[in-house]
Amino acid sequence: DTGVSQNPRHKITKRGQNVTFRCDPISEHNRLYWYRQTLGQGPEFLTYFQNEAQLEKSRLLSDRFSAERPKGSFSTLEIQRTEQGDSAMYLCASRWDRGVAGGPRYEQFFGPGTRLTVL
Amino acid sequence: QQPVQSPQAVILREGEDAVINCSSSKALYSVHWYRQKHGEAPVFLMILLKGGEQKGHDKISASFNEKKQQSSLYLTASQLSYSGTYFCGTGHILTGGGNKLTFGTGTQLKVEL
Repeated sequence: DTGVSQNPRHKITKRGQNVTFRCDPISEHNRLYWYRQTLGQGPEFLTYFQNEAQLEKSRLLSDRFSAERPKGSFSTLEIQRTEQGDSAMYLCASRWDRGVAGGPRYEQFFGPGTRLTVL
Repeated sequence: QQPVQSPQAVILREGEDAVINCSSSKALYSVHWYRQKHGEAPVFLMILLKGGEQKGHDKISASFNEKKQQSSLYLTASQLSYSGTYFCGTGHILTGGGNKLTFGTGTQLKVEL
């Protein structure tokens, strides 16, 4: 399967615990995005990487959230001292760079997400 | 600011047509349409770019009115598989050329026999 993969698919944790999610983008995609989606809402942008560089962070991303993409391939999203309000689906998406053979492409391909439940 | 979609929900009989609208208060650079089934990832359907370029699904069409800051998604001869929640996402260029999507409020579509 060459799509975006995310692990784990589900995570249940107690308030105050730390959690880490992993995203493996499509291999040739150098742009990677994290979104958060709560029930009944559309995904909300959290942060964005170009290769290993984190170039943009939303104000939604509090100090308890940190994301990395150490070698420009997979990415991790860590939430420290989880709160009940962190319960959501965390989605990862990846995209082609502009200028790849075939012309600029803008589609973001989403992974299946990690559903976090904070008790 | 989040784009507004209408209608919020629609029920169709198989074979009927539907239109989903997306309005933004900000100037649009690109509009992306996704369909999401319950518990699954959003699936890309269509992208419309400023200047008229359009890519996407061969059974679904869309329009993009830059002046009105609106986009519409047209679903014709609906099939059961069209059921899901449809989101429009407006694109904003980020540092380094990335593209942040701001998703709309969503439209729940159900196709029945």
